[in-house]
Amino acid sequence: GIQVEQSPPDLILQEGANSTLRCNFSDSVNNLQWFHQNPWGQLINLFYIPSGTKQNGRLSATTVATERYSLLYISSSQTTDSGVYFCAVGRAAGNKLTFGGGTRVLVKP
Amino acid sequence: DADVTQTPRNRITKTGKRIMLECSQTKGHDRMYWYRQDPGLGLRLIYYSFDVKDINKGEISDGYSVSRQAQAKFSLSLESAIPNQTALYFCATSDWDRQETQYFGPGTRLLVL
Repeated sequence: GIQVEQSPPDLILQEGANSTLRCNFSDSVNNLQWFHQNPWGQLINLFYIPSGTKQNGRLSATTVATERYSLLYISSSQTTDSGVYFCAVGRAAGNKLTFGGGTRVLVKP
Repeated sequence: DADVTQTPRNRITKTGKRIMLECSQTKGHDRMYWYRQDPGLGLRLIYYSFDVKDINKGEISDGYSVSRQAQAKFSLSLESAIPNQTALYFCATSDWDRQETQYFGPGTRLLVL
């Protein structure tokens, strides 16, 4: 099956800093989503982005499908950005997602 | 009110017991999914359903079964629980005509002793 690798595995930021999270995948995909899991375990969908660039407030994402990677940018980080960020991809019809291992982010005040 | 709800939120059970985790959604989505998350890892798909009459195995379906009682309800059963099924279980939904974005419930923490 498709492999999804996220880097870095852990990230410690000072509040206000910017950061970039990366997701590499091993095959072509027609579905790519970024999720944030907060410290209480809740998973929130951030972006549906199989290609191109999207922005939502301080977060933005870019997927270069031809090169099989996606980037998630966090600007002016806040303590509420702490948690684990997951990339998930899908190939076949039906939206079956394969998740990466996540990037654990800690934003210090 | 939450769009995707899961019950129970926490459960402790013993090896060999049969348990059921339930998921309900008010989003009107056709597609529903069950995932498990082990500590420090990503989510893995257990089962998924595209409508009431369509059930499909995911990558780790052994030891689990599901029932799609209605469009809004999707239950996961552990027929005979074992300790390595201790995990956080998530239900999710998606709608095929809304870019297939998945929406997750709050999760059920299961401990099998």
